[in-house]
Amino acid sequence: DAGVTQSPTHLIKTRGQQVTLRCSPKSGHDTVSWYQQALGQGPQFIFQYYEEEERQRGNFPDRFSGHQFPNYSSELNVNALLLGDSALYLCASSYRGLSGYTFGSGTRLTVV
Amino acid sequence: DQQVKQNSPSLSVQEGRISILNCDYTNSMFDYFLWYKKYPAEGPTFLISISSIKDKNEDGRFTVFLNKSAKHLSLHIVPSQPGDSAVYFCAASEENNDMRFGAGTRLTVKP
Repeated sequence: DAGVTQSPTHLIKTRGQQVTLRCSPKSGHDTVSWYQQALGQGPQFIFQYYEEEERQRGNFPDRFSGHQFPNYSSELNVNALLLGDSALYLCASSYRGLSGYTFGSGTRLTVV
Repeated sequence: DQQVKQNSPSLSVQEGRISILNCDYTNSMFDYFLWYKKYPAEGPTFLISISSIKDKNEDGRFTVFLNKSAKHLSLHIVPSQPGDSAVYFCAASEENNDMRFGAGTRLTVKP
């Protein structure tokens, strides 16, 4: 039973570019949350997707957008990348957003 | 806004002793609290949780204590083992809204 799968594992982008990160939830889970973890900090909530709609959103600008597909997988898109967007991006899945989140190993994004 | 705070960035204990990790929060509407453990190159792994209607929850070597009046929770690990060495994150949520995390405490258990 696969857990949460994220791709790619590492990514280097240039300032101003756009990036798409992908997440496949754990089997049986239907809700996907995205987090940004900067160096030395805890994960910061970006947004959550349920039934293909954004259900909750944290304090992130509109440059951060997402999508959820009918198979519950999700994408995180970041436009106009800034150096400060360099971080570990974590995806977590759950059933109906209830407790018991399962995290993926993350995508390490470096913006140069 | 730092609604969940872990003021100790690191903690070092001897194997077999007790590890106590602390967490403070500011949002009195939080009703569910969790602890996650994170090893390098892995995502956070759920460890233990507690609802605001309780003040203690125990699971094997791990016990979480909640003091609502002080807006404080702690994780006790007894006895500590070298394999417990990791970064521990405290998280809180309000009415099934998404989690807010602290900055983490790096626990080192020395053999």
